[in-house]
Amino acid sequence: AQKITQTQPGMFVQEKEAVTLDCTYDTSDPSYGLFWYKQPSSGEMIFLIYQGSYDQQNATEGRYSLNFQKARKSANLVISASQLGDSAMYFCAMRETGSGYSTLTFGKGTMLLVSP
Amino acid sequence: EAGVAQSPRYKIIEKRQSVAFWCNPISGHATLYWYQQILGQGPKLLIQFQNNGVVDDSQLPKDRFSAERLKGVDSTLKIQPAKLEDSAVYLCASSAPPRQTNTEAFFGQGTRLTVV
Repeated sequence: AQKITQTQPGMFVQEKEAVTLDCTYDTSDPSYGLFWYKQPSSGEMIFLIYQGSYDQQNATEGRYSLNFQKARKSANLVISASQLGDSAMYFCAMRETGSGYSTLTFGKGTMLLVSP
Repeated sequence: EAGVAQSPRYKIIEKRQSVAFWCNPISGHATLYWYQQILGQGPKLLIQFQNNGVVDDSQLPKDRFSAERLKGVDSTLKIQPAKLEDSAVYLCASSAPPRQTNTEAFFGQGTRLTVV
């Protein structure tokens, strides 16, 4: 079964508008972390935001916020006031630590295109 | 602080040839990851090292792929012989030992392999 599911292959948004990128996850580990990375066309993976499973508040980093709904196992990324430079692939990833050392598992990604 | 270094950036080989990729992680990072990212998909973990020992290589096609991390620093990933389906970007990442859920992985720019 997929551990990370991103159901939106592509999203389009106009500059200055907000956009939500969906991510659902599957784990039985009570302790886990969720990450969002941005991958521009140049290829590097850029860390955006992190949410821990025990965090009481939703994470925020500048224009990025994470809508964390633990019971629904969802961790959607919200980008406010989109900019042209936000056009990129976005990946949701999860780190579980139940078995000691853990790996970072990625979803298939969502391509975001921001238009003027 | 220097980031994760990878070389080469691009490589084109014919099928059945061999190829090797090199990665130098961030200084002090004990954990090193190799991911394969096929076009349009999310990164898939091939192998994870803790110092010079293998933590997870469950998705490494061991009949043709091999990896080593001598002295717990630099790492090389080798493919021999290459197949057309090995065409992908190979991403190297490093982190502190991932004992906590918020352990961030830092990525190199990747090596884009084309097998013709």
